[in-house]
Amino acid sequence: GIQVEQSPPDLILQEGANSTLRCNFSDSVNNLQWFHQNPWGQLINLFYIPSGTKQNGRLSATTVATERYSLLYISSSQTTDSGVYFCAVEFQGAQKLVFGQGTRLTINP
Amino acid sequence: DAMVIQNPRYQVTQFGKPVTLSCSQTLNHNVMYWYQQKSSQAPKLLFHYYDKDFNNEADTPDNFQSRRPNTSFCFLDIRSPGLGDAAMYLCATSRSGPAAVDEQFFGPGTRLTVL
Repeated sequence: GIQVEQSPPDLILQEGANSTLRCNFSDSVNNLQWFHQNPWGQLINLFYIPSGTKQNGRLSATTVATERYSLLYISSSQTTDSGVYFCAVEFQGAQKLVFGQGTRLTINP
Repeated sequence: DAMVIQNPRYQVTQFGKPVTLSCSQTLNHNVMYWYQQKSSQAPKLLFHYYDKDFNNEADTPDNFQSRRPNTSFCFLDIRSPGLGDAAMYLCATSRSGPAAVDEQFFGPGTRLTVL
């Protein structure tokens, strides 16, 4: 069936470290988004990236649609980067997002 | 700034007492979504409006209803809240055509407590 899998489920790092979060998906997609859920529960848009590479400050993302995965890179982590990172995918023909289970990132000072 | 607004941010209700959550948007997006998110889980889509057309997910309980009186506003009605309905409720919007969904934007959420 249609699946979105994120890894790792949990990641604990020291401030200043770099991290890579992965999202695998099971079928062709129209849309892929990365979100950061802050401690108050709001989902913050990071990237809208159905294919290719984008960068925004310390964050960047790459989606290789033909190989059905996306990567989110966080460099020089800060404590404010802590939270849950979700990958969400719109599979072709679905007209809705399917969320992965998230990666919980903890950055310790 | 264009945004998605949810009111109230926190809602406490009693078991079985109807409750309504509201969402408004200034983005002029044609699609509005309601998600339920329980602790340590991913958001789960309940239903969405594509313009005025209502699209219910197959596993959304009948206890959950929605209204969209105009482009800007959408309401989530829980007719008889149970303890299991305590969750964060997230509203989202997107500009979409018939073939694909554009980027979704989320409101801050309403955290519902059922006593």
